[in-house]
Amino acid sequence: GQNIDQPTEMTATEGAIVQINCTYQTSGFNGLFWYQQHAGEAPTFLSYNVLDGLEEKGRFSSFLSRSKGYSYLLLKELQMKDSASYLCAVILTGGGNKLTFGTGTQLKVEL
Amino acid sequence: DAGVIQSPRHEVTEMGQEVTLRCKLISGHNSLFWYRQTMMRGLELLIYFNNNVPIDDSGMPEDRFSAKMPNASFSTLKIQPSEPRDSAVYFCASSLRQSGELFFGEGSRLTVL
Repeated sequence: GQNIDQPTEMTATEGAIVQINCTYQTSGFNGLFWYQQHAGEAPTFLSYNVLDGLEEKGRFSSFLSRSKGYSYLLLKELQMKDSASYLCAVILTGGGNKLTFGTGTQLKVEL
Repeated sequence: DAGVIQSPRHEVTEMGQEVTLRCKLISGHNSLFWYRQTMMRGLELLIYFNNNVPIDDSGMPEDRFSAKMPNASFSTLKIQPSEPRDSAVYFCASSLRQSGELFFGEGSRLTVL
């Protein structure tokens, strides 16, 4: 089976840095995605990690440790518009290009 | 380029009625996914197709649900008969098979009374 865990909710202050963690236990692993979803909208792609290490893209960075089954999404210089749900998703070995999603972390950015 | 297009955006129906949701893929994409999202269970994969062929339908809840892909650019998800527990947002997404990145439609919000 597979299990993907994320915190349900987080709150942070505008201008600050926040780290959203994701742990996974899967019977095979072939990559991890982060998606952002604003309320009432579709998920949109943020990042993809398949090798260990940090991928940086502007204010957003994503880290992966395959040996630990662990990833995090780092958001810097938080803005009010970053208030959204952040979804961690994995592709399994032999699963084609099927993505399995965690339940998401609802981030609230406050003044 | 137009993104993934879903219709209807909203549907309210009564228990027992047939519901048909429609999806048009991004031109050139060859994988199609149907997801269902609820507060309790998050995003759940129902079924996905590669090159019009259903690959994995293990997420389809029961025989009341069926999905087709009559051509390379269009898919339908049908629920017959519908039940209140089917109320959810249904997302369609497409991708290039080798990339893995999904492009989601805006979703169809279904309410079954």
